[in-house]
This record gives sequence, C-alpha cells and structure tokens, in this order.
Amino acid sequence: NAGVMQNPRHLVRRRGQEARLRCSPMKGHSHVYWYRQLPEEGLKFMVYLQKENIIDESGMPKERFSAEFPKEGPSILRIQQVVRGDSAAYFCASSPPRTGSYEQYFGPGTRLTVT
Amino acid sequence: AQKVTQAQTEISVVEKEDVTLDCVYETRDTTYYLFWYKQPPSGELVFLIRRNSFDEQNEISGRYSWNFQKSTSSFNFTITASQVVDSAVYFCALIVSGGYQKVTFGTGTKLQVIP
Repeated sequence: NAGVMQNPRHLVRRRGQEARLRCSPMKGHSHVYWYRQLPEEGLKFMVYLQKENIIDESGMPKERFSAEFPKEGPSILRIQQVVRGDSAAYFCASSPPRTGSYEQYFGPGTRLTVT
Repeated sequence: AQKVTQAQTEISVVEKEDVTLDCVYETRDTTYYLFWYKQPPSGELVFLIRRNSFDEQNEISGRYSWNFQKSTSSFNFTITASQVVDSAVYFCALIVSGGYQKVTFGTGTKLQVIP
C-alpha cells in the first residue's frame, strides 16, 4: 500500500511563473490537507479538501493560491505568479473518510524554490 | 484557537546523553490528539506517536518515551541514550475534535547529537 505521493519533489520556478504541486493520497483516503513550511519554521495549515470540495481554506493566502481535489486524479496546489517568498516546502497529508480517525499521513513534500 | 509551543529552538547533546524536548499546548477543547513528528535532514515527516486527551498514560517505545500531563498541558518527549541518527527537527502537534482535523504544529526543536 503506497503512501502519500507528492510530485515533483523539487521544483524551481522563476518569479512570475506558475507552480503546480501534485498530491496523490493513500489508497482509500478521500481527505487531503496541504501545509506549508517556510525555511526554519514549523508547518502551517493551508487548506483541507475532500473530493470535489474545499472544506476549509482558512490558511490559504487570498491571492495567487488555489487548490483542487477532483473526482479523478491527484489534488493540485497551484501558485500563480510566484514570488521569492513562496519558496518553501509544501506538504500534503491524507486521511481516511471515516470520522474520528485523527490520523494524517504525510507525503515527502515538494520543495519549491523561486529564483 | 489552538497553539503549540516548543520553547527550545535548538538543543545539542553528546551521544549517549538523555535529552527531553518540551511541548506545551493550548486548547479549550476537551477532546484532542497530540502528536510528535521527526523531520530528518532529508526533509520528510516521520510520525512518532499519537496520544488522545483521555489517555494520560506515559508511553515508552525503545529509547523514546513520552510524558503527557494534562494538568500542565504538556506532552514532553525524551530520548534516552541519544544517537547521531536522532539528529533532526522534532515537531509537536495538536488536532482538536471537530476541527476538520487540521494539524496545529509547534515551531520545532532542532536536536543535534554530537558524536
């Protein structure tokens, strides 16, 4: 049973370009969470999605950032017109559909570098 | 709102010494889960332990042990006979019941074990 997969593992973008980060949850998991870890800091919650629904996006920057989790395929975190301050590690986590499990399994992260 | 405080930013110990990493949390919820994660230099997040708020029993796993005290809102982590492979950043984290399971992380403690 494969764990949470994220790709790419490393992504380099120039200022103004778009970054697309992908997350494939564990098999059978329908809940996906995205977290951002700025250099030398802890992880901060960004967004929580279920299939085709954004449940909680209270941690998402208001502009340039969006996330989706389509019925088919991986969850995508999209950052438009990247700036140097977007350089960070972005972690995805998934959890099973049953309530009360309180288990989150983290992917290896995508390290975004904006030059 | 939830908060996790890891007051120790960096700790250095000599191999074979014992070391305790402190974690203090804040929440008004009575049902919650506490976690510890390890982030080695390679960057991935490694799950170490999950504890629910109704289980104050201390836990030992090999050289690792955890002391959960609700009276002081603390969930401390001790490594006995530290090894160089223990060098990593350690995060304490919290999920509250009904809080969409988004994880609140502390800022992490960087542990360096010197041979």
